[in-house]
This record gives sequence, structure tokens and C-alpha cells, in this order.
Amino acid sequence: AQTVTQSQPEMSVQEAETVTLSCTYDTSESDYYLFWYKQPPSRQMILVIRQEAYKQQNATENRFSVNFQKAAKSFSLKISDSQLGDAAMYFCAYRSAWADKLIFGTGTRLQVFP
Amino acid sequence: DVKVTQSSRYLVKRTGEKVFLECVQDMDHENMFWYRQDPGLGLRLIYFSYDVKMKEKGDIPEGYSVSREKKERFSLILESASTNQTSMYLCASSPSGADGLLNEQFFGPGTRLTVL
Repeated sequence: AQTVTQSQPEMSVQEAETVTLSCTYDTSESDYYLFWYKQPPSRQMILVIRQEAYKQQNATENRFSVNFQKAAKSFSLKISDSQLGDAAMYFCAYRSAWADKLIFGTGTRLQVFP
Repeated sequence: DVKVTQSSRYLVKRTGEKVFLECVQDMDHENMFWYRQDPGLGLRLIYFSYDVKMKEKGDIPEGYSVSREKKERFSLILESASTNQTSMYLCASSPSGADGLLNEQFFGPGTRLTVL
């Protein structure tokens, strides 16, 4: 069975600085997708960024980028130029190419200080 | 924009009550999901449905059942609520098929259920 591990329950960053959230996963599959979701306080969960396992190029969405290391089964999220609005719970998620369901990590709470 | 709505943001029930949590999506998605979110445990899948009247157990189905009579609506049922079912419940939907593989799941705002 696949598992997703987020080893940092909490992280903090100063506004305008860069922070990296870690995620590792375990799978025997070669074809899968990885996601980072953001859950702001009392607000709906939204997708931040996604990555196809067959793509070597790391995904980027504005200030958000990933470092995808397939051999190491690592999928970290880098937030550049952090803003107060980035404060949230961040969840890493795995999806097999053969299933519709997501497997989530336990989440990392990110605090952003002015 | 995809919209997923849940019938209640907050709900307080008593032990032994039958509880219904409703979820509605407006984007004609085939897949719908119910998750439970607890601190330190992340999101855990309770049940999901890939079509009307179709359902599959997730990782923690015990004590729950679901109903999907219409494509847009997916209900989670707690037959006899217990205190250990106090949690945040999140509903999500997504398209299916080859085009849907990379598609995200769209989440509702959640229902915080307290069972006394």
C-alpha cells in the first residue's frame, strides 16, 4: 500500500523569505501523480501544484515550485517570497495512475510572520 | 468555478443519533469522496463513489455508510453516532477517466461534527 509522510508538523517563515515543506512517499508503482493542497484557516482546501511522475521537469506555479526526486521518492514544496496569505495547512497527496482516490500525508502547518 | 457545498458547517449531535451529512457538487463530476480530517492524522478516506448508486469503501468505513442516488449528491450517514466520530468531515469531487487523471479533487468547506 502507498503511504505519504510529512515529517514537519509545523514550519514558520518570515514574510518575503523562502520556505521548503518536505514530503516523502512510498510506492511500488511507476506511474502516479503527486499534489500539494493548501487549507487556509476555516477555508476550503485548494490545489497548489501537481506533478506527473513521468515528467522529469519540476512543476512551477508562480511562487510555488516542487523538487521532485523520483528515485528518492521525495516531493518537496518550495514557497518563494512568502506572503501572509500563505499561512495554512499544507497537505501532500499521492494518486496512482490506476485509481481515483488520493492518499494524503498528515499535513504541515505553515506560519508566516511579518 | 467548481462548487462543492456541504449542508452544515457545524453540527452537534448526541451519542446514538443517526446523522446525515450532505454534499452537492455542480460540475457533473463522476467521482465523489468523503474524508475525515483529524489533527496529526491528515485526511483519511471513508467512502467514495464513482457513479450513481456505486460506492467503494475507503480506509476507515466502519461506522459509516453512504448514499448516492443522484450524480450531484453524495450523503454520508452515521447510523449511530459515537463520540469517537467527532471530527471534521470533508467532501470532494473530481472528474474521472483518462482526462481526469491529473485533475484535482475539489473540496467542500467541511462539516465540523461534535458528538456528545
